[in-house]
Order: sequence, then C-alpha cells, then structure tokens
Amino acid sequence: GQSLEQPSEVTAVEGAIVQINCTYQTSGFYGLSWYQQHDGGAPTFLSYNALDGLEETGRFSSFLSRSDSYGYLLLQELQMKDSASYFCAVRNQAGTALIFGKGTTLSVSS
Amino acid sequence: DTAVSQTPKYLVTQMGNDKSIKCEQNLGHDTMYWYKQDSKKFLKIMFSYNNKELIINETVPNRFSPKSPDKAHLNLHINSLELGDSAVYFCASSQAGAGTDTQYFGPGTRLTVL
Repeated sequence: GQSLEQPSEVTAVEGAIVQINCTYQTSGFYGLSWYQQHDGGAPTFLSYNALDGLEETGRFSSFLSRSDSYGYLLLQELQMKDSASYFCAVRNQAGTALIFGKGTTLSVSS
Repeated sequence: DTAVSQTPKYLVTQMGNDKSIKCEQNLGHDTMYWYKQDSKKFLKIMFSYNNKELIINETVPNRFSPKSPDKAHLNLHINSLELGDSAVYFCASSQAGAGTDTQYFGPGTRLTVL
C-alpha cells in the first residue's frame, strides 16, 4: 500500500526559509503533490511533481527524487500567513484518489 | 463563484441519528471525492465517484453511503451515527487526465455526534 512520512511540526521566524520533507512508499507512482491547510480551512493545492527536479512557484518550490522516494516543499521569505499545515500526497495504487501524509504543522513567528 | 460547496457547514446531532451532507461543484469536473479529517488532522479518502460510478471505497463502514444524482453532485448519507463519526468531512473534485493531482476541496462540514 501507499504510505508517506513527514515531520509533524516545524517552527521558523518571518523571513526565514524552511524545508518540509516527505518520504513515500508506493505501489506504482504517479507524482507527489503538496497541499496547504489553514486552521479551520480546506486543503488547497500548492504543487505537483511527476518528474525529478525542482518546481518553483513564487516563494514556494517543490522537489522530487523518484529514485530516493523523497520530496520536499521549500518555503522562502516566510510570512506569518504561511502558518498552516502542509500535506504531501500520492495517488493510491489504482491511481483513482490521493493518499495524504499526516501533515506538518508550520508555525511562523515574528 | 464557489467552486466546490458543501452544506451544512456545521452539523451537531445525537448518536443513532441519520444525517446527510450535500456537495456540489461547478467546475465541470468528472470525479468527486469524500474525505474524512479526524481530530489529529489525518485526511483519509472515503469515496470517489467518476461519471456517477463509485470507483473506490476505502474500508468505510456501510453506514456511510455516497449518492451522486449527477456528476456535479456527490452527497454523503450517514446512518446510525456513532461518536467516532465526529470529524470534518471534505468534499473535493478533480478532472481525470488533467496531468496533475489537483483536487479542489469544499469548505468542509464539521460533524459532532453527541
């Protein structure tokens, strides 16, 4: 089956850079996604990597190494509003739905 | 315009009752999902519907039954509610073959069973 591991909590200060790692075990791999969820809110899509390498979208970047079954989300120039939970996700074996990691709670302080 | 909407936003009910949660998406997507998020924020897939056909059912008790009258709607009916059903339920939608794993989530329904 599919499983994902990510740290439960990360703390940082405004303006800093933080990296949230995710390792996965899958039977069949389509790609690695990242979602952000603020307290009381819904998960929102951040990024998707199907191929090895770095994808950059503004202050956020996501990296994938398929040979290592590893990826990370890099958040730069942290702002207070980045305080949220971040989930990595892969498709289930049939490719029909997402399996989420347990989430990393990022706390940004001033 | 709301892309994925759910009603109600909050639902408080007694054990043993039957309740429904409604979901609608106006994105024209062909696949819809129900997820359960527990108090530890663990987000777990319950069901997905593709073109009105159930394509997964992840060991969910049969007290939970999804109903899709058309591809824009996926409702969740829960019979004989139990304390452990208390959670936030999210509806989501996506388009198959889009090349990414982008799913659009509704605002969630917080279910509390007393």
